Parts: sequence; C-alpha cells; structure tokens
Amino acid sequence: ELKVEQNPLFLSMQEGKNYTIYCNYSTTSDRLYWYRQDPGKSLESLFVLLSNGAVKQEGRLMASLDTKARLSTLHITAAVHDLSATYFCAVAMNRDDKIIFGKGTRLHILP
Amino acid sequence: DTAVSQTPKYLVTQMGNDKSIKCEQNLGHDTMYWYKQDSKKFLKIMFSYNNKELIINETVPNRFSPKSPDKAHLNLHINSLELGDSAVYFCASSRIENTEAFFGQGTRLTVV
Repeated sequence: ELKVEQNPLFLSMQEGKNYTIYCNYSTTSDRLYWYRQDPGKSLESLFVLLSNGAVKQEGRLMASLDTKARLSTLHITAAVHDLSATYFCAVAMNRDDKIIFGKGTRLHILP
Repeated sequence: DTAVSQTPKYLVTQMGNDKSIKCEQNLGHDTMYWYKQDSKKFLKIMFSYNNKELIINETVPNRFSPKSPDKAHLNLHINSLELGDSAVYFCASSRIENTEAFFGQGTRLTVV
C-alpha cells in the first residue's frame, strides 16, 4: 500500500531563511502534487509534478520530483510571513484511483 | 463562481442524528471525492466517484453513504452520528482519476 511521508511535520523559521520540506513515497508513481492549506481554509493546489526531474517554481516556492528516489522537495527561499501555512504533498497511485496525502508540514514563519 | 461548493460550512448536531453534506462542482470534472480531515489535520480519502460510479470505498463505517445523482454532485449522508465523526469533511473533484484535485471549502462537523 502506498505510504506518503513528509518531514518535518512542524517547522518554525525566521523570515529571510531558506528551508526544504521533503516528501517520500513508497511505491511507483508518476504524479505528485503539492497543496497549501491556511488555518480553517480549504486546500489550494500549488504544483503538479508529472515526470522525473520535473521542477516548478512559483515565487519563493520551488518543487521538484525524483521518481527514482521516490522523493519530492518543496524549497522555500527567503521565507516571508505570508508563507505560513500547512503544506501537503499528495501522490497518485499508478493504475488506481487514490490520491494519498502526506500528514502535512505545518510551517510557521516568524516575522 | 465557486468551482467546488459544499453545504453547510458548519454543522453541529447531537449523537445519533442523521445528517447530509452536499457537494457540487461546476468544473465539468468526471471524478469527485470525499476526504476527512481529523483534528491533527491528517487527510484521508473516504470515497471516490467517477461519472456517478463508486470507484473507491475506503474503510469507513457503513453509516457513511455517498450518493451521486449526477457527475456534478456527490453528497455524503451519515447515519447515527458518533462523537468520533467530528472532523472537517472536504469534497474535491478532478478532471479524471488521479489528476489534480480541486477542493471545496470544507464542512466542519461537530457531534455533541
């Protein structure tokens, strides 16, 4: 069964710093998603990564996918307070209909 | 125009009651889902429907019954509510199975 593990689960960091959130998954998949959730809100799609080596960037966030290592990273550059949220990675199983979510990384950026 | 809309947004009810949550999407997507998010923010898939047909039925109590009258709607009916059912329930849709999912705003269910 597909397992999706994120780390860290909690992250408190200063504005201006860089950091990386990791997402490992246990079985073959070629589709990985990153979502953002603000407290009390819905999930907002950030990135869709569809192939090995895919890299996408939006503002201070950059996501990458290594399907051989079964690893995706979400890199935050020069963090700002507005990026405080919970970030989820989600993986779709091949030939199946499930999208399995990681436990989320609660990111708190101190001003 | 809200792409995926759920009603109600908040639902407080007593144990033993039966309640329904409605979901509609206007994106023309073929697949719809129900997810449960617990107090620790863990998201778990409950059901997946593709073109009104049940595709995924995870291990949820049979007190939970989804109903899809057409591919734009997926409602969730819960019988005999229990305290442990308290959570936020999210509806989502995607163009086809396993593609990017768009989420509704969530329904916060509190069972007292």
